[in-house]
Amino acid sequence: NAGVTQTPKFQVLKTGQSMTLQCAQDMNHEYMSWYRQDPGMGLRLIHYSVGAGITDQGEVPNGYNVSRSTTEDFPLRLLSAAPSQTSVYFCASSSPSGGHRNTIYFGEGSWLTVV
Amino acid sequence: AQTVTQSQPEMSVQEAETVTLSCTYDTSESDYYLFWYKQPPSRQMILVIRQEAYKQQNATENRFSVNFQKAAKSFSLKISDSQLGDAAMYFCAYRSYSGGGADGLTFGKGTHLIIQP
Repeated sequence: NAGVTQTPKFQVLKTGQSMTLQCAQDMNHEYMSWYRQDPGMGLRLIHYSVGAGITDQGEVPNGYNVSRSTTEDFPLRLLSAAPSQTSVYFCASSSPSGGHRNTIYFGEGSWLTVV
Repeated sequence: AQTVTQSQPEMSVQEAETVTLSCTYDTSESDYYLFWYKQPPSRQMILVIRQEAYKQQNATENRFSVNFQKAAKSFSLKISDSQLGDAAMYFCAYRSYSGGGADGLTFGKGTHLIIQP
């Protein structure tokens, strides 16, 4: 059972570099989202998607782009990394229907350091 | 916008004893979901228990139970017979019912639970 898979698990970037965090789910979930977790904080929503081709901003969207071309994939792009984006990133998915409807499944996290 | 407050940054309990973690929230909605998540040092997010606001009965999952007070907007987690494996960060989270919850969860800042052997 793969569930929600995030890559890479660890990444070090230099300020100004760009990169993409990959997220894939194999549960055919309509909803997907990205969160970041900073020290002493809970998770905060960056962007979310309710289906292929549809995305929207969460609480902390600045500096990040997303797209959803397929149901399975929801990549998060950092266009010009800044030290303030050093964080642990979580991808999540859920479905509004089915036996486990509305249960949010999380990936294992991606640790990003920007130096 | 909804807010979730966990007023206890850290709690400590002796193994086999009972501990209660507090959570309050602010919302103008009448229908919503509440969750407790456990996050061990691995950072994995593990769902502990969930509560639908329209249900008056408090949710229970084995040693974990909640005290849901809708009018007071309070949602505490009770862990009975604490075990060493319960040591972790615990996050309280809120999710709107409207829109099917597509816009995700609002989290509190967490409570670090320490289990003393």
